[in-house]
Amino acid sequence: LAKTTQPVSMDSYEGQEVNITCSHNNIATNDYITWYQQFPSQGPRFIIQGYKTKVTNEVASLFIPADRKSSTLSLPRVSLSDTAVYYCLVGVKAAGNKLTFGGGTRVLVKP
Amino acid sequence: NAGVTQTPKFRVLKTGQSMTLLCAQDMNHEYMYWYRQDPGMGLRLIHYSVGEGTTAKGEVPDGYNVSRLKKQNFLLGLESAAPSQTSVYFCASRGSQGDTQYFGPGTRLTVL
Repeated sequence: LAKTTQPVSMDSYEGQEVNITCSHNNIATNDYITWYQQFPSQGPRFIIQGYKTKVTNEVASLFIPADRKSSTLSLPRVSLSDTAVYYCLVGVKAAGNKLTFGGGTRVLVKP
Repeated sequence: NAGVTQTPKFRVLKTGQSMTLLCAQDMNHEYMYWYRQDPGMGLRLIHYSVGEGTTAKGEVPDGYNVSRLKKQNFLLGLESAAPSQTSVYFCASRGSQGDTQYFGPGTRLTVL
C-alpha cells in the first residue's frame, strides 16, 4: 500500500472549515483514497472514499488533484463533536485485507 | 442489528496468563480483522480472515492466534500474555462487495 503523510495535529474553532491534506506520492493507478474518523475510545469509522476530482457526502468532501499525489479532506462548519483523529489510507478499492493506518491527524475543535 | 460487538470491553491479565477475545458481527460479512492500537498510534493489523475456516497473518501476528469457526465470529487468543501486548484491540468486518470496514468498540487489555 502507498505510504501516506498527514499533519500530526490541527486546531480549529466551531463553525470553521477544516481542511486536512494527505500526501501519497507513490499512489498506484488503481489505488483509491479513503478517510476514516476515530473518536476517543471508539473504533474508526468510514467517512469518505474517492479516486479523482471531488467527492462529497453528507459528512465531508474529498478533493483529489489531477496528479493524485495528495488529497484534502474538507470538513465544513465543524462542531465540538468533530474533535477526533482522521486517518488517510491509500490502496486498492475493496482491498480491505491490508488497511494500513498511519498516525492520523488529531483535530481539536475549540469553542 | 448490533453491527460488530466485542467481548470483553476491559481485561487485566498477569504476565503468562491466557485469554480469548471474541468478535461477533451480524452483517453476514465475509472478511473479519483484528487490529491493535497503542497509545497515540494508528491501528496495526494482527490477523485477518477472508471467510469461515480461513485465517491469515497481518502486520504484527506474533504472540496471537485466531480462529474463524463460524462466519459471524472471529476469536483472538493470547496464549501467554506479555506486558508488550497491553493495548486496545479492535475487531472489524467487511462485506465481500463493500469497501468499508466496520469496527467494533474495542477491548482495552492491560497485561501486568
